[in-house]
Amino acid sequence: ETGVTQTPRHLVMGMTNKKSLKCEQHLGHNAMYWYKQSAKKPLELMFVYSLEERVENNSVPSRFSPECPNSSHLFLHLHTLQPEDSALYLCASSQEGRGRTDTQYFGPGTRLTVL
Amino acid sequence: LAKTTQPISMDSYEGQEVNITCSHNNIATNDYITWYQQFPSQGPRFIIQGYKTKVTNEVASLFIPADRKSSTLSLPRVSLSDTAVYYCLVGASNSGYALNFGKGTSLLVTP
Repeated sequence: ETGVTQTPRHLVMGMTNKKSLKCEQHLGHNAMYWYKQSAKKPLELMFVYSLEERVENNSVPSRFSPECPNSSHLFLHLHTLQPEDSALYLCASSQEGRGRTDTQYFGPGTRLTVL
Repeated sequence: LAKTTQPISMDSYEGQEVNITCSHNNIATNDYITWYQQFPSQGPRFIIQGYKTKVTNEVASLFIPADRKSSTLSLPRVSLSDTAVYYCLVGASNSGYALNFGKGTSLLVTP
């Protein structure tokens, strides 16, 4: 499926680096999401954007900075990360952002390793 | 946020029907039940959603009893490619954006 794409698919970075994750959805949706999935842990919602406005921020450390320039693109800017931030970062989109009944379509994820 | 309880893992042979039951005793009137599937190192994929009775699509069936305190995802004639983690989620359109995926049920299908 190519409805939601993410780049890069794999990323290795040092703790002092600055990098960005990119997500693009081709489904005409109005809401976009960032999730984090660590090994052996459930998915954790990080940020939600609806119509390019951030509507939810689940107490995420400031070293993660989201950006949503339009309804098709979502970025996650990373700086001074810690090794425990190593995880699979997943982007998702949904039609209207109508909460938990709105089907979310996920991208393939970016596997991030922080050294 | 309605809490869900699912078995941690299940095993099945190819060609069998698999039923995964999810308990959600404190489900609210406006809540829907949604199931997602996740393969290793991939994002979850929507399977099916329902409110009551039975819902069927080309992939699975969802059975919801009258009291809605549980639901059962039924996968007919599983294949090796159905090996994945299956998540049961409960929520309403007006109950925020967070999907509580929990730990899900890890299904292993063997020949």
